[in-house]
Amino acid sequence: GNSVTQMEGPVTLSEEAFLTINCTYTATGYPSLFWYVQYPGEGLQLLLKATKADDKGSNKGFEATYRKETTSFHLEKGSVQVSDSAVYFCALSDRESGGYNKLIFGAGTRLAVHP
Amino acid sequence: EPEVTQTPSHQVTQMGQEVILRCVPISNHLYFYWYRQILGQKVEFLVSFYNNEISEKSEIFDDQFSVERPDGSNFTLKIRSTKLEDSAMYFCASSERKANYNSPLHFGNGTRLTVT
Repeated sequence: GNSVTQMEGPVTLSEEAFLTINCTYTATGYPSLFWYVQYPGEGLQLLLKATKADDKGSNKGFEATYRKETTSFHLEKGSVQVSDSAVYFCALSDRESGGYNKLIFGAGTRLAVHP
Repeated sequence: EPEVTQTPSHQVTQMGQEVILRCVPISNHLYFYWYRQILGQKVEFLVSFYNNEISEKSEIFDDQFSVERPDGSNFTLKIRSTKLEDSAMYFCASSERKANYNSPLHFGNGTRLTVT
């Protein structure tokens, strides 16, 4: 079945460091891929998305490229800030597994950025 | 910006008790969802709801669970007889249309349910 695997956290970085959070997926169809973020005390928020191979999603300095050949959607940011401290979730949706409303999430990766 | 609100933020209940988790979706949204995350595990889809009926549910969503839209604003998840393994963070979500690339899910802050 469809699944998402993320690197385990926590990831601890100094401010202005480069961030990569790895995400790989398994899907039978042609999924859309998402990154959601959960800031402390808040709900899940859509960070960025991509619907087809080689698409790059970007938002707030974060980027992720849909790589079909490696079934990956790694999240990157060139220079993190303390305010980026949160839990990041990689997710996919696949029409064959019920449509976009049925998101399949990874376990989440906690990012802690210190000054 | 409109948001999905969930109450309470934390609920503690005894095993075997009924619990109702409440959600107020964004007002012009038509599709509603519940997801849950057991501590340390993945966020899992439970159920989607449209036009006053369940449109899809997962195998987790057994007869102990039910959802309802009792009025024009609330969307509830009821667990009839809670078990220890129901302890989790429950997220409500809504979307304007059937969720797709251009109609993403908007999530609430979650209700942490602890069953003792």
